[in-house]
Amino acid sequence: DAEITQSPRHKITETGRQVTLACHQTWNHNNMFWYRQDLGHGLRLIHYSYGVQDTNKGEVSDGYSVSRSNTEDLPLTLESAASSQTSVYFCASSPRQGDTGELFFGEGSRLTVL
Amino acid sequence: QKEVEQNSGPLSVPEGAIASLNCTYSDRVSQSFFWYRQYSGKSPELIMSIYSNGDKEDGRFTAQLNKASQYVSLLIRDSQPSDSATYLCAVNRNTGRRALTFGSGTRLQVQP
Repeated sequence: DAEITQSPRHKITETGRQVTLACHQTWNHNNMFWYRQDLGHGLRLIHYSYGVQDTNKGEVSDGYSVSRSNTEDLPLTLESAASSQTSVYFCASSPRQGDTGELFFGEGSRLTVL
Repeated sequence: QKEVEQNSGPLSVPEGAIASLNCTYSDRVSQSFFWYRQYSGKSPELIMSIYSNGDKEDGRFTAQLNKASQYVSLLIRDSQPSDSATYLCAVNRNTGRRALTFGSGTRLQVQP
């Protein structure tokens, strides 16, 4: 079955370290998204991509970067991890070009920055 | 003002009752509207989408949209303990930044 997978599922790191969270989908969806979820804030958009070589900033993109070199993967990099980036990160993909509201989520990656 | 606002709850209803979840949004150009359900420790899953004013029914779920009032709601009939979860309202502009904006969610507790 097609799916979307995230790794690692849990990670503890130290302030200042670079961290990369992987996201891989096998649906061949063009649209991919990264959200973070924190208590009281719901899901907030970090970065998103409509296709290969396309990346866009979301509402909370500072300190994060993404690259899209193929359809299947959208890795999220924290250049220099900060305690404020402790969160649960969700990757999602969407099959539709126009309406990107039907999202399929990965299982999430819980990141703790000490 | 948040783009999408929801009461955080918890909303507690007895089993068999109707649960009513509400959401308001601020961006008038929003075109499509979604309800996601998220169980504790799990990822969100889509349960309803609505694009036009009025009601849309799917099983025990009814989504209601009023674009003039910028208001979306989700009704859950015959609520079951398995409906206990956080319900996330999301809106999409479908132009410009075509990515969902989520509310912070309403936690629903269905009491057996």
